[in-house]
Amino acid sequence: EDQVTQSPEALRLQEGESSSLNCSYTVSGLRGLFWYRQDPGKGPEFLFTLYSAGEEKEKERLKATLTKKESFLHITAPKPEDSATYLCAVQAKGGSEKLVFGKGTKLTVNP
Amino acid sequence: NAGVTQTPKFQVLKTGQSMTLQCAQDMNHEYMSWYRQDPGMGLRLIHYSVGAGITDQGEVPNGYNVSRSTTEDFPLRLLSAAPSQTSVYFCASSSPLMGGYGYTFGSGTRLTVV
Repeated sequence: EDQVTQSPEALRLQEGESSSLNCSYTVSGLRGLFWYRQDPGKGPEFLFTLYSAGEEKEKERLKATLTKKESFLHITAPKPEDSATYLCAVQAKGGSEKLVFGKGTKLTVNP
Repeated sequence: NAGVTQTPKFQVLKTGQSMTLQCAQDMNHEYMSWYRQDPGMGLRLIHYSVGAGITDQGEVPNGYNVSRSTTEDFPLRLLSAAPSQTSVYFCASSSPLMGGYGYTFGSGTRLTVV
């Protein structure tokens, strides 16, 4: 069974304090790993898709990396507006459109 | 270009009532899905569609029906609402032709069943 575990569940940072969020996964052949940002009362907002181990993608202060067992979302010099819940999801090979989500990491960045 | 539009945003139902959650997208995406999000749990797939006339079950399909008569619309029907269906429901769409494709989500429908 495909599974996604995110850690930590919650993270508090001071503005400018860099850190990383972890997404560990087990999947029967990875088709893609997705990172989303979700603000309270809103739908998930797409950030990145990673397809193979060693791949990296960046967007502003965020950088996502992928290994065969986990993905990291690195946040460099975060700002209060980066506060949100970050969701990781995997999609398995085989044609199914199912995304399996982790429970998310709630990030709070204090000014 | 509105993206994915869900209606209503909020709904309260009595146990046993039926209703339809609406979802429409204007991006000509082939794939559409319904997820539910509950506290302490990840988003879980209810039903999905890979094109007009084609639907399939996800992880938690019981108590829900879907149909896809057009590319744009993918309504979710609750047949006989139960308190266990109290949740936030998200519709999403995607296309494999999108570069680095990821699903676009709607803003959600918050449903309470009393």
